[in-house]
Amino acid sequence: QSALTQPASVSGSPGQSITISCTGTSSDVGSYNLVSWYQQHPGKAPKLMIYEGSKRPSGVSNRFSGSKSGNTASLTISGLQAEDEADYHCCSFAGNSTIFGGGTKLTVL
Amino acid sequence: QVQLVQSGVEVKKPGASVKVSCKASGYTFIYHGISWVRQAPGQGLEWMGWISAYNGNTNYAQKFQGRVTMTTDTSTNTAYMELRSLRSDDTAVYYCAKGSSVHLWGSCRLDYWGQGTLVTVPS
Repeated sequence: QSALTQPASVSGSPGQSITISCTGTSSDVGSYNLVSWYQQHPGKAPKLMIYEGSKRPSGVSNRFSGSKSGNTASLTISGLQAEDEADYHCCSFAGNSTIFGGGTKLTVL
Repeated sequence: QVQLVQSGVEVKKPGASVKVSCKASGYTFIYHGISWVRQAPGQGLEWMGWISAYNGNTNYAQKFQGRVTMTTDTSTNTAYMELRSLRSDDTAVYYCAKGSSVHLWGSCRLDYWGQGTLVTVPS
């Protein structure tokens, strides 16, 4: 099973909003509302930011939001802050397995 | 608080096996599953498989079937991942992560992660 497709990099200025896409197929993203997003700072373990497409775990800022349309899920970060600079990974349940995207490096200019 | 504490750095020769442990605390171990995820240097995350701590059921990514075994010891709340026939491209940080459910569909919602175990397989 191929990895989900994410842009390699995105960037934005403080205060702006950015969106990261995560494209799968009708066998994974398109079939299940079980997409998660993770934030990973260098040398650290990933941190769950969004689950089931649009839900935020307790303690995650409401500047982070998730959505889905067809086979593509999206993560939007509003009011960009310097601390948001990190790698972001999407993940989807795929019926009998789970797959990740290739990761997106977010640079805050 | 929930913690997953993994075993330490490993350096292995090609063809050898490695077994990484992941000791869980702070939650009811058998009510959740554990995913194992690896990350090669400079690369993205790669899901290796899942084990239900409730009944030991496993699901392995097709890429690792036949080469990986995941187990749990409910007496010590510890999960294990063994990878055999190691190659240089198995060099990566290996993570265990707690799933939201005892079922496979919770294998993508990973709310707590171990600190990672670096496994190096020199070429």
